[in-house]
Amino acid sequence: LAKTTQPISMDSYEGQEVNITCSHNNIATNDYITWYQQFPSQGPRFIIQGYKTKVTNEVASLFIPADRKSSTLSLPRVSLSDTAVYYCLVGTIMNTGFQKLVFGTGTRLLVSP
Amino acid sequence: GAGVSQSPRYKVTKRGQDVALRCDPISGHVSLYWYRQALGQGPEFLTYFNYEAQQDKSGLPNDRFSAERPEGSISTLTIQRTEQRDSAMYRCASSTGLAGVRETQYFGPGTRLLVL
Repeated sequence: LAKTTQPISMDSYEGQEVNITCSHNNIATNDYITWYQQFPSQGPRFIIQGYKTKVTNEVASLFIPADRKSSTLSLPRVSLSDTAVYYCLVGTIMNTGFQKLVFGTGTRLLVSP
Repeated sequence: GAGVSQSPRYKVTKRGQDVALRCDPISGHVSLYWYRQALGQGPEFLTYFNYEAQQDKSGLPNDRFSAERPEGSISTLTIQRTEQRDSAMYRCASSTGLAGVRETQYFGPGTRLLVL
């Protein structure tokens, strides 16, 4: 399984754009890149998933360069409620089609007023 | 609508006792997953089911851990002869379709297990 490396923590202020970069140098051809968000005392929540180039949804954007060895989660105009841990996951598709989610320690984002 | 629910939310037990943790997935979700999460760490995959069939249990730490989902809905994670190192948050997740790379997993609130 591809290993991911992301900053342990980041600080930001309300209204700013936050970009969290994740390295996954040994990503395999079949791997997708998935980001989850976890608030204290809650389970992780899916944010976004992509394979290449750019993906955007109502919550975030995901930028993936051509070599796919890294990805950047972009959160536009963060608010205090975006304070959470953000996990970057890269999983290999098993023969059954199942992608085992392997969570690292994540990036702790703290948004201040 | 109702999300994934887990019970009990907290469980304190003595070393050597057996515990059973229950997961109620979102209605109609065909796949169910179990994770364990230590403080300050991300969830660690334990096992998963497609319907009632356990597909992958490679993450179960040892043979004291077992899981079942006999009717393809509610699942139980059982830990026999608990040890202090089993203390953690146990999380359950479910997904709409068969477990696969594009399936979003919806996590429950977890069961906090403390083994004394």
